[in-house]
Amino acid sequence: GAVVSQHPSRVICKSGTSVKIECRSLDFQATTMFWYRQFPKQSLMLMATSNEGSKATYEQGVEKDKFLINHASLTLSTLTVTSAHPEDSSFYICSAVRLAGGPSYNEQFFGPGTRLTVL
Amino acid sequence: AQSVTQLDSQVPVFEEAPVELRCNYSSSVSVYLFWYVQYPNQGLQLLLKYLSGSTLVKGINGFEAEFNKSQTSFHLRKPSVHISDTAEYFCAVISYFGGFKTIFGAGTRLFVKA
Repeated sequence: GAVVSQHPSRVICKSGTSVKIECRSLDFQATTMFWYRQFPKQSLMLMATSNEGSKATYEQGVEKDKFLINHASLTLSTLTVTSAHPEDSSFYICSAVRLAGGPSYNEQFFGPGTRLTVL
Repeated sequence: AQSVTQLDSQVPVFEEAPVELRCNYSSSVSVYLFWYVQYPNQGLQLLLKYLSGSTLVKGINGFEAEFNKSQTSFHLRKPSVHISDTAEYFCAVISYFGGFKTIFGAGTRLFVKA
């Protein structure tokens, strides 16, 4: 089956520093990756859609200068939380879309998530 | 626009009892529906999906769901739950409006008691 990895799985950083989270599709090419944020006991909130070779599309209310997304290759997207603050502490989940071979839906696979704690 | 409503935020149930987690959707176009399970501090695992065809869909871990177009529902069921089924369950629909997106419900916490 298709596998999506995230690195790191957990990160603790000081306020004001930047943190980079990687999302990789290990055995398929993903032209589209998504980044979600999940607060405790809540659902996933889509932050942005990342397309390989182009600028990410951010959802309303998400600061693009704070959450920098780069999708440099068909298997890697990165999310950088710049100048992190305690309110940025959250569980970040990525997903990658594997294109269907024909007129079918495009299957989405989720990474295991990254727990960010900003002190 | 498409949306998903999970009617129960928490469902406590005893081990070996049956369970149903409810999900309703709204959509004006063809729908692709999903149920995902999330264990603590983990990502999402696909339980089952409905794309087309048979309205009764069987998934992993003994779960099944039935797509009901007239009631716009996609309820998840399991005839006999285990302690290990304790987790958060998310119903989701794919939207192609404005680009490919997955719309998630708020989630239902299934708590299986011994």
